[in-house]
Amino acid sequence: DIQMTQSPSSLSASIGDRVTITCRASQNIETYLNWYQRKTGETPKVLIYAASLVETGVPSRFSGSGSGTEFTLTISGLQPEDFATYFCQQSFTSPYTFGQGTKLEVK
Amino acid sequence: ELQLVESGGGLVQPGGSLRLSCAASGFTFGDYYMDWVRQTPGQGLEWVGRIRNRAHNYITEYATSVRGRFSISRDDTRATLHLQMDSLRAEDTAIYHCTRRDWALDAFDIWGPGTMVTVSS
Repeated sequence: DIQMTQSPSSLSASIGDRVTITCRASQNIETYLNWYQRKTGETPKVLIYAASLVETGVPSRFSGSGSGTEFTLTISGLQPEDFATYFCQQSFTSPYTFGQGTKLEVK
Repeated sequence: ELQLVESGGGLVQPGGSLRLSCAASGFTFGDYYMDWVRQTPGQGLEWVGRIRNRAHNYITEYATSVRGRFSISRDDTRATLHLQMDSLRAEDTAIYHCTRRDWALDAFDIWGPGTMVTVSS
């Protein structure tokens, strides 16, 4: 199975900050990497697919990059509604594993 | 409105069985691959399994942790997805979500609210 490792596990930041979350795959997954946001009490929402493509309706402050085994999610200019937990997930091969999540909290 | 709604969760003893269902509406269910994803008490997400559509022979795939114990099926005429869970273990305790795998995104774009499964004696 491909292991997906996110860092950090938690992150404290302030409104307006730029934050970066990293996701590493245990083997090459090309750009088969998705990012989800999960807010408390809600189901996960796709933010980024194919490593760098922004889903329709997602604010432009969200961006993704990377290929192979290392990927990043960047939020440029944190807004109050961005405090949530973020997950990466590989769609390269079954089983379609998730990272353990990164909880973004208010500093 | 695009919607998935799960049912069938509950409390079951270790070694027991449970069958979850997911009712879909608002889209052509039969066109899509459908997956189950669970959210564990520690709040992580774990992919459980997938069933492809008729065009791809209803092929199923499973996570290593559930292979041989869980089985996914679908009824396209009723737009319903099922997860048969046998030989349940304490570590299967989770909220189980059905999800739709979108063709263009190759990601899970619709999630049901989930149904809670607790495995405990």
